[in-house]
Amino acid sequence: AQTVTQSQPEMSVQEAETVTLSCTYDTSENNYYLFWYKQPPSRQMILVIRQEAYKQQNATENRFSVNFQKAAKSFSLKISDSQLGDTAMYFCAFVIQGAQKLVFGQGTRLTINP
Amino acid sequence: GAVVSQHPSWVICKSGTSVKIECRSLDFQATTMFWYRQFPKQSLMLMATSNEGSKATYEQGVEKDKFLINHASLTLSTLTVTSAHPEDSSFYICSARDPGGRGDTQYFGPGTRLTVL
Repeated sequence: AQTVTQSQPEMSVQEAETVTLSCTYDTSENNYYLFWYKQPPSRQMILVIRQEAYKQQNATENRFSVNFQKAAKSFSLKISDSQLGDTAMYFCAFVIQGAQKLVFGQGTRLTINP
Repeated sequence: GAVVSQHPSWVICKSGTSVKIECRSLDFQATTMFWYRQFPKQSLMLMATSNEGSKATYEQGVEKDKFLINHASLTLSTLTVTSAHPEDSSFYICSARDPGGRGDTQYFGPGTRLTVL
């Protein structure tokens, strides 16, 4: 079975701090894509970052970066210099290459405090 | 790029009526669209996969006669909740894949909050 586990239901940090959200997944496939999506209070799902499993280099998008450990099936998200607008639910997900369905984790609720 | 819209953003209806939700890809053609349901403080639950020009594929446990999906064009998919009941009240989200761009990536609409009285 393909699963995603986010072990931190809630996290809270102060503004400007760095925070890391954990994600582990399980699949027997070798080619897949990994994602972090953000869902702020507006409930709009926003793509934060994307990683191809065949790439060893970790993806980065401005203040957002990932630590992708394929052997360990780990895909954590690091948010640097956190901002109040980063307050949201964060979902880790992956899709097998050639498949259609995204497999989601249960989410981590992140609160950035002023 | 890769913008997906949904309409309406919220709807209130009486029990027994039908409600149609539209999902549009605004700047790309989406051969595949997806419909999700999300309960409060939970993750997204895939309801069905909608392929342009063919019948939708429903997930196990989703009533296809209750949740009618039509994907008649490359930019529009609709979800109709037929004979809605209070238990159908939820947040419904659509997404679409851009085959011309990152075809593996789903882009999401803003969601529709359905309340059935």
